[in-house]
Amino acid sequence: DADVTQTPRNRITKTGKRIMLECSQTKGHDRMYWYRQDPGLGLRLIYYSFDVKDINKGEISDGYSVSRQAQAKFSLSLESAIPNQTALYFCATRGKEREVTGELFFGEGSRLTVL
Amino acid sequence: GQNIDQPTEMTATEGAIVQINCTYQTSGFNGLFWYQQHAGEAPTFLSYNVLDGLEEKGRFSSFLSRSKGYSYLLLKELQMKDSASYLCAAMDSNYQLIWGAGTKLIIKP
Repeated sequence: DADVTQTPRNRITKTGKRIMLECSQTKGHDRMYWYRQDPGLGLRLIYYSFDVKDINKGEISDGYSVSRQAQAKFSLSLESAIPNQTALYFCATRGKEREVTGELFFGEGSRLTVL
Repeated sequence: GQNIDQPTEMTATEGAIVQINCTYQTSGFNGLFWYQQHAGEAPTFLSYNVLDGLEEKGRFSSFLSRSKGYSYLLLKELQMKDSASYLCAAMDSNYQLIWGAGTKLIIKP
């Protein structure tokens, strides 16, 4: 089983619908991240969390919200999806001891298409 | 602003050597990272450099020059399975990663 699991892996939805992408991890890491990846662009950080009570906006948080339900779970929501949110979304984790060396462990990705 | 530049695509031959370059501009610097990403899969960590010089890890090596804002990833004895995108990322003063768009490496027999 993967250490970082994302659900769903693929989702097609319509403009205006609410969508939730879920991430769970078994690595015991306290730091969790949500990124989106678009063709021709680098990974862009949406939100990150250093523990259950700590939520921080990344560079492209508009139109997204997150919830850190437990140390192992970090969910990303699109309250009202729009077509330019069509992208590949990755959840990632990092242990506190890796803060400087930066090694991230990624989930398998969630491909979202908004029609 | 913060910026990472790397070539969009490169082609190389199986068994050969290829060098993928990356230049960066960040607010502060806490290291340069390389990740490998096969099509449709998650990125996986390859290397981390924070001091100038070459770090060798098997067939892969990574080089950093902090004064030039430059890094490269060197892949030797290329294998077909090395066909992937290679992502360069620099860590800024807030320990956030700034990612390049990735270099798609195509290996031909």
